[in-house]
Amino acid sequence: RKEVEQDPGPFNVPEGATVAFNCTYSNSASQSFFWYRQDCRKEPKLLMSVYSSGNEDGRFTAQLNRASQYISLLIRDSKLSDSATYLCVVRTGGYQKVTFGIGTKLQVIP
Amino acid sequence: GAGVSQSPSNKVTEKGKDVELRCDPISGHTALYWYRQSLGQGLEFLIYFQGNSAPDKSGLPSDRFSAERTGGSVSTLTIQRTQQEDSAVYLCASSLVSSKETQYFGPGTRLLVL
Repeated sequence: RKEVEQDPGPFNVPEGATVAFNCTYSNSASQSFFWYRQDCRKEPKLLMSVYSSGNEDGRFTAQLNRASQYISLLIRDSKLSDSATYLCVVRTGGYQKVTFGIGTKLQVIP
Repeated sequence: GAGVSQSPSNKVTEKGKDVELRCDPISGHTALYWYRQSLGQGLEFLIYFQGNSAPDKSGLPSDRFSAERTGGSVSTLTIQRTQQEDSAVYLCASSLVSSKETQYFGPGTRLLVL
């Protein structure tokens, strides 16, 4: 089983739709969780950290479910500019390695 | 301020040649990471530096790959006797202290081995 698993998609959604992605992780000792965004042929950029209590940033909401070992990202009122690949990132252990998921591709269509 | 920079941005080489990729992290960032991303694939962790030391080299795919960091700043990733399967985008990231902090990525070096 991969350390971090994501559905690669693509998810094709109309503008204004709400879309949610899940990401599962295998190590119950994982400590920190993030969502990164990667545009085509660009480098990844941090979208948001994921806190135990969940957190919201505008149209984006991230949740952590430790019992089921998954994190989620909800995007409300999708914009064309949200089209990108969303990478789930997990940090595990006492050293500093992080593991990236393969990414979920989102395409918002007019 | 200046972000993470990488050079060259693109590199085309012949199979069997050595290549050297350079990463200039954000000033003051002590942690530095190298990743590889093949076409349509996720990011593959290669190596992590804290200062000049590399506590985690577990991701280096073979002994043809090596990396060093001097002066706690610039890092070079060297691939010896390149193979076609080494073709990928090599991304460097830096963060303030550890991966608790946001990783800032450079634009990457696109390597093509013919």
